[in-house]
Amino acid sequence: SQQGEEDPQALSIQEGENATMNCSYKTSINNLQWYRQNSGRGLVHLILIRSNEREKHSGRLRVTLDTSKKSSSLLITASRAADTASYFCATDTGTASKLTFGTGTRLQVTL
Amino acid sequence: DVKVTQSSRYLVKRTGEKVFLECVQDMDHENMFWYRQDPGLGLRLIYFSYDVKMKEKGDIPEGYSVSREKKERFSLILESASTNQTSMYLCASRTPSRHPENIQYFGAGTRLSVL
Repeated sequence: SQQGEEDPQALSIQEGENATMNCSYKTSINNLQWYRQNSGRGLVHLILIRSNEREKHSGRLRVTLDTSKKSSSLLITASRAADTASYFCATDTGTASKLTFGTGTRLQVTL
Repeated sequence: DVKVTQSSRYLVKRTGEKVFLECVQDMDHENMFWYRQDPGLGLRLIYFSYDVKMKEKGDIPEGYSVSREKKERFSLILESASTNQTSMYLCASRTPSRHPENIQYFGAGTRLSVL
């Protein structure tokens, strides 16, 4: 079953703009992670936020977590064409090393 | 850097064939995973293994089996391929079990077409 649901399913912006994508989940978590997938490739880990954290930054990435609403957002600032990819949230509930992935947001950044 | 290598990027097989998808990781990770990815459905866990010869079913194990004879290698087996198994297959390994953060490292994927 899908724990995480991303919103929007697809997002198209111009280079230089900010991109925000959201993730909602259903059960208590240990941490929430965001992964990126270039077309036809595997996923790459971007950032992890623990359940006791509210915000985390890494370069142009900013992640927030609201455990009361069971939601997270990923903000990519000053987007570049190379940011074009699908982005997935994944939740770790501490169950047997498994992560549960959402359905992803497809981001298109145009010049 | 962790390297997870899947033996084939593209495979075309016929219905009824036995198919082997191979995955090797170079970081001595105990835990390895097989997912399939389909449009609109995201990643779904087929099987995972938490040690040599140990395996557990994921969310969609039907029609699949796995083999973990050596720590670095995790194989996914389609006993009798069917057209509904046409998909992108992704292998992953995770940070050691003693590590508090469960971060997964993925291979490049195998796109399987069953005709």
